[in-house]
Amino acid sequence: DTEVTQTPKHLVMGMTNKKSLKCEQHMGHRAMYWYKQKAKKPPELMFVYSYEKLSINESVPSRFSPECPNSSLLNLHLHALQPEDSALYLCASSQGVGGGYTFGSGTRLTVV
Amino acid sequence: GQQVMQIPQYQHVQEGEDFTTYCNSSTTLSNIQWYKQRPGGHPVFLIQLVKSGEVKKQKRLTFQFGEAKKNSSLHITATQTTDVGTYFCAGDNAGNMLTFGGGTRLMVKP
Repeated sequence: DTEVTQTPKHLVMGMTNKKSLKCEQHMGHRAMYWYKQKAKKPPELMFVYSYEKLSINESVPSRFSPECPNSSLLNLHLHALQPEDSALYLCASSQGVGGGYTFGSGTRLTVV
Repeated sequence: GQQVMQIPQYQHVQEGEDFTTYCNSSTTLSNIQWYKQRPGGHPVFLIQLVKSGEVKKQKRLTFQFGEAKKNSSLHITATQTTDVGTYFCAGDNAGNMLTFGGGTRLMVKP
């Protein structure tokens, strides 16, 4: 299995909702990432998990809460989002420091 | 913090013409990676360059890493319509995080 699987593919949520994005990989990769990508912009790093521990949080607002239940799974819990949080949320994994990233196909999030 | 600049932002070419995108980092990199993102798709890893002055080829694509490990380029020979997409360079400063350049959006006229 050489894929990163993200669910759901599309999500529309209200500003008072709570939702979660899920990401799964079975390549044995030890680093997993959440990126946010706005239209016509590059991906922006949000969080890095290394060996299931949060190693980097790029000053992301607390309405985004990551979780890594085990080495294959990564979640992003969403609460009280704003319309400007609408974007493509990409999960990625890599073998570790200095390796190429495998991206999932993303969750296209719309906050209404 | 680390910044990665990429030019041009957009490039229209006639099918069969060559294409080059350039990437510059504000800091020395441990490696540089290139990704392609098709319209509506997600970034797909193309290649990683690690050594100073390294040159790698993948069919019609040629990747270079500068001697100072601060710049890189991707050259596509004889573009095809399947090359359409946005090409991103991404610099790794050995801190377990990639910083993406702004991307070059390539459009190919058949």
